[in-house]
Amino acid sequence: DPKIIQKPKYLVAVTGSEKILICEQYLGHNAMYWYRQSAKKPLEFMFSYSYQKLMDNQTASSRFQPQSSKKNHLDLQITALKPDDSATYFCASSQERGGAIEQYFGPGTRLTVL
Amino acid sequence: AQSVTQPDARVTVSEGASLQLRCKYSYSATPYLFWYVQYPRQGLQLLLKYYSGDPVVQGVNSFEAEFSKSNSSFHLQKASVHWSDSAVYFCALKGPNTGNYKYVFGAGTRLKVIA
Repeated sequence: DPKIIQKPKYLVAVTGSEKILICEQYLGHNAMYWYRQSAKKPLEFMFSYSYQKLMDNQTASSRFQPQSSKKNHLDLQITALKPDDSATYFCASSQERGGAIEQYFGPGTRLTVL
Repeated sequence: AQSVTQPDARVTVSEGASLQLRCKYSYSATPYLFWYVQYPRQGLQLLLKYYSGDPVVQGVNSFEAEFSKSNSSFHLQKASVHWSDSAVYFCALKGPNTGNYKYVFGAGTRLKVIA
């Protein structure tokens, strides 16, 4: 069974619209993350959350808003979409326990903005 | 400043040959280090990790990596590659402090294994 679920797998949107990318993890982890991967930037860290609190935000634009309704959910809302937002968005999770532990990644949501 | 450098964007090797993918890091202390692999249209999968102790760590699928504090490196190696090893490999680090949620990834090395 997949441990990190991302929905949808593929997403096509028009410029100016708004979309929500879903991420659920069933690993019992307390930390969750969003990354973006495109041809321009191989893997770009966006956000980190721990116990549903924002820990780090490396995304300059306020158009990207993470939302955590449950401790194992971290959705990503993107508003006013632009063609440059086209990328694959990966959700990841980890268990922060006395230091650090590896991240586990979801399969990604491939977003295309027309 | 924290950084991870993978100096080789692309590497091509013949099937059955040995492999080394290079990773250099910059961090004020000894970080936690990871290698991930990404197959086409998939997420990243952990190959191996180094926290402390023996500088040579074993991972999945016969991969291993050697940590060198003096060289600030964490190179990935495999004795004999298979065509199925063709993928993108990422080196990453994380600070050892509790409450540090920042992982730093290298740009990745695309490995092509040819017959």
